[in-house]
Amino acid sequence: SYVLTQPPSVSVAPGKTARITCGGNNIGSKSVHWYQQKPGQAPVLVIYYDSDRPSGIPERFSGSNSGNTATLTISRVEAGDEADYYCQVWDSSSAFGGGTKLTVL
Amino acid sequence: EVQLVESGGGLVQPGRSLRLSCAASGFTFDDYAMHWVRQAPGKGLEWVSGISWNSGSIGYADSVKGRFTISRDNAKNSLYLQMNSLRAEDTALYYCAKGSYGSGSYKYAFDIWGQGTMVTVSS
Repeated sequence: SYVLTQPPSVSVAPGKTARITCGGNNIGSKSVHWYQQKPGQAPVLVIYYDSDRPSGIPERFSGSNSGNTATLTISRVEAGDEADYYCQVWDSSSAFGGGTKLTVL
Repeated sequence: EVQLVESGGGLVQPGRSLRLSCAASGFTFDDYAMHWVRQAPGKGLEWVSGISWNSGSIGYADSVKGRFTISRDNAKNSLYLQMNSLRAEDTALYYCAKGSYGSGSYKYAFDIWGQGTMVTVSS
């Protein structure tokens, strides 16, 4: 099965830029989707097909994907961005990364 | 308003069965693929199963293959998950999720999620 590797945690000060990576073998050849999950809530799609934003998601959220790493970038981080973030791809099955806890200092 | 509401969870003994349901509203249900995704307490997300708009394409995670069956009733705007031979490791919050597209496959992003229904497998 396809393995996605995310850092367990990322910390960033308010107003700064957070980058959350998702590593996988030749992940650049796949479409990557990103989800935000706040405590006690269902996940929310924030980026799909590497870099597209669903309606209602702020422009501060962006994505890129190349080689063996996909990256979710959150610009001008706000306290409300504190959450777990998961990357996801399709291979023979679906794979999720282990999740990254974003802490806003 | 687009909405997915899961039901059917509960406490069940190992080896027994349970059927989950997901009621969809606010969108044209039979235009989209649908999925079940679960999350064990304190753990990450795990895709369980997906189904294309017309049930022509279906997939399962290896962990549930042969035990779980996904189905949908487009006339009732409903998605189902029949879970047999349940194990302790199936204990999780089960989410119903809408696929971002519907044509042919089910391998799309999950763009709308329900609030989940909890399944606890324990004696």
